[in-house]
Amino acid sequence: SQKIEQNSEALNIQEGKTATLTCNYTNYSPAYLQWYRQDPGRGPVFLLLIRENEKEKRKERLKVTFDTTLKQSLFHITASQPADSATYLCALDHNTNAGKSTFGDGTTLTVKP
Amino acid sequence: DAGITQSPRHKVTETGTPVTLRCHQTENHRYMYWYRQDPGHGLRLIHYSYGVKDTDKGEVSDGYSVSRSKTEDFLLTLESATSSQTSVYFCAINKEQGANLYNEQFFGPGTRLTVL
Repeated sequence: SQKIEQNSEALNIQEGKTATLTCNYTNYSPAYLQWYRQDPGRGPVFLLLIRENEKEKRKERLKVTFDTTLKQSLFHITASQPADSATYLCALDHNTNAGKSTFGDGTTLTVKP
Repeated sequence: DAGITQSPRHKVTETGTPVTLRCHQTENHRYMYWYRQDPGHGLRLIHYSYGVKDTDKGEVSDGYSVSRSKTEDFLLTLESATSSQTSVYFCAINKEQGANLYNEQFFGPGTRLTVL
């Protein structure tokens, strides 16, 4: 079965710096890779989706890359702010026509002022 | 938030009792999902539905059943709750346009269930 590893449980950075989170997967490449944000006590919130034929996707201060050779996605938050502090989840979808996603455990980002 | 609500938001119950969690959506999406989230395991799919009366198992379906008699409601039932089912349960929908899924899931606020 597919296994997802997110680089570390926790990442601490200084405000203004770029945060880089890593998502690695095993086995076959997914059709889609998604990133979600989750705040304590709340449900995950969708941020970005990147398809297997896309190398990079951007949305405001967010950037996602997808390297099917390395079996890795990188999620970047530029000019980070304390409000970016949250847990970020990576999820894979193998285009099963059911929209089922396999989620990683998440990385908790803390941005210090 | 795609108009997703979950009830109850918190529940404490005893081992062996039946429990039903409700997920309600207001936008008539076909695909709905139930996940559980536990420390060290992330989100794991329990069951999902692709239409009224159409459901299928996910990764961790043992001990759970689901029903969907109306498009807007997806019920998750623990027939006989066990302590290992203590968790936070999330419902989600997947928006579609015609026959195509957006593959972007929208989650409800969650139900915190404690089984003593």
